[in-house]
Amino acid sequence: AQTVTQSQPEMSVQEAETVTLSCTYDTSESNYYLFWYKQPPSRQMILVIRQEAYKQQNATENRFSVNFQKAAKSFSLKISDSQLGDTAMYFCAYTNIAGTALIFGKGTTLSVSS
Amino acid sequence: DAMVIQNPRYQVTQFGKPVTLSCSQTLNHNVMYWYQQKSSQAPKLLFHYYDKDFNNEADTPDNFQSRRPNTSFCFLDIRSPGLGDAAMYLCATSRAILAGQETQYFGPGTRLLVL
Repeated sequence: AQTVTQSQPEMSVQEAETVTLSCTYDTSESNYYLFWYKQPPSRQMILVIRQEAYKQQNATENRFSVNFQKAAKSFSLKISDSQLGDTAMYFCAYTNIAGTALIFGKGTTLSVSS
Repeated sequence: DAMVIQNPRYQVTQFGKPVTLSCSQTLNHNVMYWYQQKSSQAPKLLFHYYDKDFNNEADTPDNFQSRRPNTSFCFLDIRSPGLGDAAMYLCATSRAILAGQETQYFGPGTRLLVL
């Protein structure tokens, strides 16, 4: 069975700094998708970034980028120039190439302070 | 402009008293999902509808059921809530069924408290 592990329950960072959130996963599949979702306090979860396993290039979305290491089954999220609005719970998620379900990690609570 | 709406945001029920949580969407998506998110745990998929086709996850307890009377609405029914069912319940939608290719849009969740 596929699993997703986020080993950092909480992290904190100052505004304008860079922070990296860790995620590892376990699967026997060769093709799959990985995601980072953001859940701000009392607001809905939104997709931050998506990575297709068969693509070598790391996905980026503005200040958000990933470091995808397929052999190591690692998928970390880097947030550059952190902003107060980045304060949220961040979930790493996995799905098979033809999967219907997202398998989530337990999340990392990120606090950005001024 | 809200896209996935969940009501109420907080629900208190009594042990064993049936409760219904509701979800509506303005996206006209074909797929609607219900996730359970317990404190400090990962969100876990309970079931999903693809149009009118209901798909239950293998380990979803029989105590949990769902209804989708039309494209816009989906309900989560908990027949006899136990203390262990206290959680945040997340509704999500997507245009099509492949979770990798189709973005899931989440509602804000309903936090259920069982007394």
